[in-house]
Amino acid sequence: AQSVAQPEDQVNVAEGNPLTVKCTYSVSGNPYLFWYVQYPNRGLQFLLKYITGDNLVKGSYGFEAEFNKSQTSFHLKKPSALVSDSALYFCAVRDDKIIFGKGTRLHILP
Amino acid sequence: DAMVIQNPRYQVTQFGKPVTLSCSQTLNHNVMYWYQQKSSQAPKLLFHYYDKDFNNEADTPDNFQSRRPNTSFCFLDIRSPGLGDAAMYLCATSSPGGTSTDTQYFGPGTRLTVL
Repeated sequence: AQSVAQPEDQVNVAEGNPLTVKCTYSVSGNPYLFWYVQYPNRGLQFLLKYITGDNLVKGSYGFEAEFNKSQTSFHLKKPSALVSDSALYFCAVRDDKIIFGKGTRLHILP
Repeated sequence: DAMVIQNPRYQVTQFGKPVTLSCSQTLNHNVMYWYQQKSSQAPKLLFHYYDKDFNNEADTPDNFQSRRPNTSFCFLDIRSPGLGDAAMYLCATSSPGGTSTDTQYFGPGTRLTVL
């Protein structure tokens, strides 16, 4: 059965520092992987996805994610964090259907 | 701009009183989804439509029903809301095929309060 794990409930990063939000997955076939962001009282917004091709995927707002097949990971990264990046981030995987992780709350400290 | 719209944004109902949440889209997407999201948790898929074909998740309570009268609109009906049904309800759309495969576009959500 497919699954996705976000091991950190919360990540705190100082503004201007690089950030990483972790995600690992388990699927039976080739994974389709996604990152979404949710701001307070709003729906989820698509950031980026990996379907096939380059392991480094670039997305919206300067975010990128690296697909690592051997480690079954798809960590979200950004070289320099902004206070406005503070939000709830969801990793998702699609096998037969899309499953969301439990979310990681990212706090960027001014 | 093409988008997914949910009305109302905030809905208050009484225990046991039926309520309907609505979703409309201007993206002309084939697939529409309804998710339930409780406080800071992952969205939980309730059901989805692929065109007119309805797909219910196995663990979605019978209390939750849905209608899709046309491509643009989809409704979530909660027949007898309980206190445990208080949550954010998210509508999303997607279109199979091409570079947008499986990317879901979400509305802003309707926050349901049950008194």
